Parts: sequence; C-alpha cells; structure tokens
Amino acid sequence: DGGITQSPKYLFRKEGQNVTLSCEQNLNHDAMYWYRQDPGQGLRLIYYSQIVNDFQKGDIAEGYSVSREKKESFPLTVTSAQKNPTAFYLCASTRGGEFEQFFGPGTRLTVL
Amino acid sequence: GDSVTQMEGPVTLSEEAFLTINCTYTATGYPSLFWYVQYPGEGLQLLLKATKADDKGSNKGFEATYRKETTSFHLEKGSVQVSDSAVYFCALSAQGGSEKLVFGKGTKLTVNP
Repeated sequence: DGGITQSPKYLFRKEGQNVTLSCEQNLNHDAMYWYRQDPGQGLRLIYYSQIVNDFQKGDIAEGYSVSREKKESFPLTVTSAQKNPTAFYLCASTRGGEFEQFFGPGTRLTVL
Repeated sequence: GDSVTQMEGPVTLSEEAFLTINCTYTATGYPSLFWYVQYPGEGLQLLLKATKADDKGSNKGFEATYRKETTSFHLEKGSVQVSDSAVYFCALSAQGGSEKLVFGKGTKLTVNP
C-alpha cells in the first residue's frame, strides 16, 4: 500500500536535546511538507521541499532543520533552539503541480 | 495574504442532526478549496475539494459548494453520525506556484448518540 509513514508515534526527549522525526513516502510524490499542530492553532507550516536537495522555510522555521537527500525521505530535526517543541508534528506530500496533500499519522513529541 | 476563517468550535450535535461548518476565505486569483478531516490522534484526510467557482465537492454525505461571490466554502451534512466526530479543517491553495495549502484553525465536532 502506498502512503506516508512517520515514526515513532510518540517521542519523549529531555530539554536541550536535538531530536529527529522521520517521514517516508512511497507515493513517488515530488513535494513534502512539515507542519506543527498545537491545540486551537490549526496547522502551521515549518518547512517544505518541492524537489530533492532543495527546501524552503515555512512560517515557523526557527529552531528546526530539514534535509531532502532522497525523494522518499524528509526528516525534521527539532533543535535545542526551539523554545516550545512539545507538539504534534505532521508530514505531508503532494504530486508535482497538484495541491491535494496526503498526510502521515503524525508524531507527538513531548519535551520534558 | 491568503487566509481562511472557520467558525469557532467546538460544535456539539445529536445524531441525525444537520451540520453546517462555515468557512470563508481571502485570496488573490482563483484558489482551489479543500475540507480535511482529522480523527483523534491521526493525521488529516482529504474529505472533499472544489477547484473552481460553483463546483460542489461531495464525499461520505458531506457537501461544500465553492461560492466566489461570497468567498465561502461551507461544509454541510444532512444527518450526522457519532462516527463523524472529528476536527474539520478548511484549506485553500496558496498562490505563487509553491503548491502550499493555507489552513483554517479547525472546528471540532462532537456527535452524541
């Protein structure tokens, strides 16, 4: 079955540690996205990538970093510079030239 | 810039009640419009979409019509079920060739038996 996988579903880290969230898709989609979801705030775009080896900042990129070395993979690193990292993180992808986004199941990150 | 405004929630209904969730947008050009649904603890799923004015998107008994004159895309369902309890997001396609979506803040729906 084609789809997007995010792992792990729940992640706990101590304050001050960097942590990397995984996102893999086998839909052969060109573009991938990372969102952060907080209660009552909807989805906020962190980073997106339209092609391999290229990515752009979204609305709340500070304290986050990404890479896009392979078409299938778009990992997100939450660095210690991110002031409030506890949130639900969603990864999504689209075919080139289309707007319909397909979402993964999300990773809930809790920083203790 | 482009934006989406949804009615504030939460919305609580009894089973078989009529549902309307309002969505209005501000955008330049002619965006595509979407409704996504998120069940507890999961990612978002596309519920329906419309790509041009007067188009009606429909799926699983839900409908929404792209109204350019009122810049609206209200979600409706004639008879809700307990299984429809979820958070609903309205979204539009951002302009500028980036293939980004702009999301509303979401409306939580709870349907009681």
